[in-house]
Amino acid sequence: GAVVSQHPSWVICKSGTSVKIECRSLDFQATTMFWYRQFPKQSLMLMATSNEGSKATYEQGVEKDKFLINHASLTLSTLTVTSAHPEDSSFYICSARGRGGELFFGEGSRLTVL
Amino acid sequence: AQRVTQPEKLLSVFKGAPVELKCNYSYSGSPELFWYVQYSRQRLQLLLRHISRESIKGFTADLNKGETSFHLKKPFAQEEDSAMYYCALRGYSSGAGSYQLTFGKGTKLSVIP
Repeated sequence: GAVVSQHPSWVICKSGTSVKIECRSLDFQATTMFWYRQFPKQSLMLMATSNEGSKATYEQGVEKDKFLINHASLTLSTLTVTSAHPEDSSFYICSARGRGGELFFGEGSRLTVL
Repeated sequence: AQRVTQPEKLLSVFKGAPVELKCNYSYSGSPELFWYVQYSRQRLQLLLRHISRESIKGFTADLNKGETSFHLKKPFAQEEDSAMYYCALRGYSSGAGSYQLTFGKGTKLSVIP
């Protein structure tokens, strides 16, 4: 089946620094990728829809300048958490839509901001 | 707005007992519904979708538009079914101008040996 890979799977950073998380579709092209955030014991909350070659569409309440999304190619989308603070600590998950419309999820990236 | 409700955070059943994970939704149009499963330390993966009307790993789910439900069922639970299950709805969001997948909060199924 199709594989989506996220990197890094775990990152710890100091408050005020920026962190980039990559989401790659390894064996298929994805014009659309999605970024989710999951708090402990909570559901996945859609943050933004990433479209290849165009600006991402952000959900209400998600700061565009805080969470920068770039989808420069059909196999790569990146999420950059800028000037990270402890409240940004969370589990970030990406998914990519396959040719048949099915979503394939990455392993997730756990961000801890000290 | 579309919404998915999973009323149970945790469901514990004995091995061999029937399982029903509840899911209710709210959506003005014709919904597309899914069940996703996340086994311990693994990524989220699709279990089944209502349009394919299939049985995966013994699980089935029927879309009931009258009750706006999409409950996941299995007649005899196995230990390997222990996992986190998420119900999800794919619907059109006029605000975003695209289709979106909305997840329920998930139900943790624990099958007791």
